[in-house]
Amino acid sequence: DSGVTQTPKHLITATGQRVTLRCSPRSGDLSVYWYQQSLDQGLQFLIQYYNGEERAKGNILERFSAQQFPDLHSELNLSSLELGDSALYFCASSAGDGALNTEAFFGQGTRLTVV
Amino acid sequence: AQSVTQLGSHVSVSEGALVLLRCNYSSSVPPYLFWYVQYPNQGLQLLLKYTSAATLVKGINGFEAEFKKSETSFHLTKPSAHMSDAAEYFCAVRAPAAGNKLTFGGGTRVLVKP
Repeated sequence: DSGVTQTPKHLITATGQRVTLRCSPRSGDLSVYWYQQSLDQGLQFLIQYYNGEERAKGNILERFSAQQFPDLHSELNLSSLELGDSALYFCASSAGDGALNTEAFFGQGTRLTVV
Repeated sequence: AQSVTQLGSHVSVSEGALVLLRCNYSSSVPPYLFWYVQYPNQGLQLLLKYTSAATLVKGINGFEAEFKKSETSFHLTKPSAHMSDAAEYFCAVRAPAAGNKLTFGGGTRVLVKP
């Protein structure tokens, strides 16, 4: 158990809909990262938050947004969903703001299926 | 921009045989390198990390990796494969030029034959 909790584990929704994925980081970790894993794109970095503020942005679509709350949990919002958004979405957390020698601890992921 | 290349998306080994997974990185400065393993229907788990203290790094489950700056490589090995090693393995890199974010290779799926 990594200590990172993601809910829900599975989500099935229709095209055009909006969903929210939730992540609780390990106790004490201030950084949260979101990744998308799909067969064709592999593991893609989406976005990082550190102590409530956006720290780094990756290949995140404009239809997607995220935030980190004062209690450090994070939510990833996906809207106007398309079939191609079907993927496994991982949350990870690390101590600090992503210092070079710190590893990230991953949750078990949310499997999103858009039908 | 930094990147990580894993040679071979699939590797098949016999139980008891050597496991060798290849990872090459591109970075203009010495990076920090990681190997993660993903078992079916699970998240990623850290196997080991290189943080410049020693070029040969030992990780969990009998895995180790050697950092070779001249070859820009960080290959993962295990002397004797076990059935439980069947999983997907990811090499990842952090470097200042990329805002310290963790960038992953494409992954290598390991199949262990009895």
